[in-house]
Amino acid sequence: KQEVTQIPAALSVPEGENLVLNCSFTDSAIYNLQWFRQDPGKGLTSLLLIQSSQREQTSGRLNASLDKSSGRSTLYIAASQPGDSATYLCAVNVGSSTLGRLYFGRGTQLTVWP
Amino acid sequence: GAVVSQHPSRVICKSGTSVKIECRSLDFQATTMFWYRQFPKQSLMLMATSNEGSKATYEQGVEKDKFLINHASLTLSTLTVTSAHPEDSSFYICSATGTKGQYFGAGTRLSVL
Repeated sequence: KQEVTQIPAALSVPEGENLVLNCSFTDSAIYNLQWFRQDPGKGLTSLLLIQSSQREQTSGRLNASLDKSSGRSTLYIAASQPGDSATYLCAVNVGSSTLGRLYFGRGTQLTVWP
Repeated sequence: GAVVSQHPSRVICKSGTSVKIECRSLDFQATTMFWYRQFPKQSLMLMATSNEGSKATYEQGVEKDKFLINHASLTLSTLTVTSAHPEDSSFYICSATGTKGQYFGAGTRLSVL
């Protein structure tokens, strides 16, 4: 069974810092990996999706990398802002298409203070 | 594009009542939808996979008679929590599969008194 672990569980930093959030998974046979953002009491917003054949994806101040063989992904947030405060979830798709089920980590709760 | 609407966003009900949650894909057709449950500070756990026109596939440990799922059309799936009890209080989220991944609804906070 796939297990997804996220470290750290919580992170509190001053505005402007560059951050690295970590995600590890036990079974490297994945279709893709997604990073999501979840605000308190809200649904999920997809940030980045990396296909199993890709090494990284970038969107604005966000960069996600994937090392499938070692079962690791990192989400890099540059020049953090208070608006980045949220819980960040990592999920791996263990199927053979976009229809595959997702396994989620518990998330990293990020607080960026001014 | 790829918008998923979930309704209601919050519901408070008495123990023993049934609650229906709707999940709609607004601008695309979704043959497959997923229902997740999330306890405070916990990960999202898949409850069931809903396929249009067929019976849902439930994860181990999820009572199918307790959590009724109907996927009657390519844009609508419903989850009914039957005879709800306080331990069913949780955050329920649906997702629908598009061409580039899964798109999530805003979630439903269920509180059973």
